Amino acid sequence: ETGVTQTPRHLVMGMTNKKSLKCEQHLGHNAMYWYKQSAKKPLELMFVYSLEERVENNSVPSRFSPECPNSSHLFLHLHTLQPEDSALYLCASSQVYSDYEQYFGPGTRLTVT
Amino acid sequence: GENVEQHPSTLSVQEGDSAVIKCTYSDSASNYFPWYKQELGKGPQLIIDIRSNVGEKKDQRIAVTLNKTAKHFSLHITETQPEDSAVYFCAAPKGNAGNMLTFGGGTRLMVKP
Repeated sequence: ETGVTQTPRHLVMGMTNKKSLKCEQHLGHNAMYWYKQSAKKPLELMFVYSLEERVENNSVPSRFSPECPNSSHLFLHLHTLQPEDSALYLCASSQVYSDYEQYFGPGTRLTVT
Repeated sequence: GENVEQHPSTLSVQEGDSAVIKCTYSDSASNYFPWYKQELGKGPQLIIDIRSNVGEKKDQRIAVTLNKTAKHFSLHITETQPEDSAVYFCAAPKGNAGNMLTFGGGTRLMVKP
């Protein structure tokens, strides 16, 4: 595997379900990001981790819970989501937190029913 | 904080023609301007970037120009090919928020064979 991988690629969940999105980067980077991409809206930054420590939380509702067990893995735990949370969730990484150059994964297409 | 406007939202060109996408930003202190290409079913991929100490950068058929006085930067694609069809995003640093990027709304480019 190379670059940034995300699983699953597609997820359909009910509003009462609990699910998790997984991201793994094979680039040796130290910073990882979660973005939300909705139709007709700019990319929205959700969370940033640097060396497994959360450094940014962009006013994201508590029904989204990130976890970064090590610098290669990033999770987004989901519970009691709303239909408006349906979107493409993108993971990205960069060499270090101060590096603007970000590498994105293919995303997880989430549908909340 | 930074505000990034991107135009046009859709652009259709004939194969072989040139395509130009423009972004404006609000923070005069911004110093890094990347362009991302997002193909269907994939995450955004960095295709070219420019820093504020230069006015133009080229990489084969793509180029980016920066006008710091007017606070705008543009992506130029020459001799367009069908595989250039994708959504293109510009971005700029998010003002005082460290290395975070603010993204434009995206441009859907369609290259007709």
